[in-house]
Amino acid sequence: DAKTTQPPSMDCAEGRAANLPCNHSTISGNEYVYWYRQIHSQGPQYIIHGLKNNETNEMASLIITEDRKSSTLILPHATLRDTAVYYCIVRVAAGGTSYGKLTFGQGTILTVHP
Amino acid sequence: GAGVSQSPSNKVTEKGKDVELRCDPISGHTALYWYRQSLGQGLEFLIYFQGNSAPDKSGLPSDRFSAERTGGSVSTLTIQRTQQEDSAVYLCASSPAGLKETKNIQYFGAGTRLSVL
Repeated sequence: DAKTTQPPSMDCAEGRAANLPCNHSTISGNEYVYWYRQIHSQGPQYIIHGLKNNETNEMASLIITEDRKSSTLILPHATLRDTAVYYCIVRVAAGGTSYGKLTFGQGTILTVHP
Repeated sequence: GAGVSQSPSNKVTEKGKDVELRCDPISGHTALYWYRQSLGQGLEFLIYFQGNSAPDKSGLPSDRFSAERTGGSVSTLTIQRTQQEDSAVYLCASSPAGLKETKNIQYFGAGTRLSVL
């Protein structure tokens, strides 16, 4: 699976958009970008995923650059409850010896302040 | 519907004792995973079950760790002769069958916090 690079921490004011970057310059053509977050004392929570096109759901938007070497997770109106560690993960859809396990890096600690 | 359920939520044990951690996945999910998270560390994959296939045990740190999944549903992670370095939060996740890309969407339980004294 491709390696990802995320900033260790970010701050955001409540009500503003939080834009979390992720670099994955070695991504392969069959690898998807997944985002999870982990709120303190909880298990990780799936947010969104994408392959090439930008994606949006009720939680967030995912913007993937045309060359797919980086992506940005956007929380359009951050709230205090969005304070968490955000993980960007790149992996194939299925198959291979690593199928089934997610590799979580250190992620980005997002702090939303009033 | 119910999410992934883990029990107990907290477990304190003495060094050298055996412990069993339980995971009830989301009904109908075919894949089940165990991870652990030590204090201030990232998540570490332990083991993966998919249907009736042989489990992927590549992440188990030693032969003191084992897991089983009975009837394709409930799973138990067993740690024998616990050591202080086994102290961590043990997380279970499950994922549904379906599109290949969605098999990487894992639903996590709240975890079991294990403390070995």
